[in-house]
Amino acid sequence: DAGVTQSPTHLIKTRGQQVTLRCSPKSGHDTVSWYQQALGQGPQFIFQYYEEEERQRGNFPDRFSGHQFPNYSSELNVNALLLGDSALYLCASSGVGLAENQETQYFGPGTRLLVL
Amino acid sequence: GQNIDQPTEMTATEGAIVQINCTYQTSGFNGLFWYQQHAGEAPTFLSYNVLDGLEEKGRFSSFLSRSKGYSYLLLKELQMKDSASYLCAFSGGYQKVTFGTGTKLQVIP
Repeated sequence: DAGVTQSPTHLIKTRGQQVTLRCSPKSGHDTVSWYQQALGQGPQFIFQYYEEEERQRGNFPDRFSGHQFPNYSSELNVNALLLGDSALYLCASSGVGLAENQETQYFGPGTRLLVL
Repeated sequence: GQNIDQPTEMTATEGAIVQINCTYQTSGFNGLFWYQQHAGEAPTFLSYNVLDGLEEKGRFSSFLSRSKGYSYLLLKELQMKDSASYLCAFSGGYQKVTFGTGTKLQVIP
């Protein structure tokens, strides 16, 4: 049973560019949340997708957008990259399962983005 | 507003017991998570408390007091591999999870 997967693992971009990060949720999960984690900080909630709609959003500008596909996978897009966008981007999935709490989120390995 | 606090760093000796505290403030609360995160890796799920009280899972236990907005993670028989950051987080509804900054635990011989 595959866990949460993310691609790419690492990415280097320059200021002003655009980036797309991808996430496949754990089998059986239907909800995907995205987080940004700066060095030495806890993950900060960006947004959450459920049934292909953005259900919740954190305090991030509109440069951050996303999408969820019918197979529950998701993309995070960041436009007009800033140096401060350099961080680890984590995807977490959750959902109704047989033996787990619906609230529990399982994280993927993350994508480390460096903006130069 | 929403707020969550935990100590920045802690040091403990191999074989000992350590308690990591977490306090939170939020208007909507479903439950309290603890995650472990090794350097350069993704957080891994440790526990989720919904009701008041202590839940034990092997060497790790987690406690919650909803009325006090307080939780702790108890690690027993510490091992070197327990050196990591421990993230406290609450679920405030619709599975939106708010994380603290994490407590970096160093286990020394």
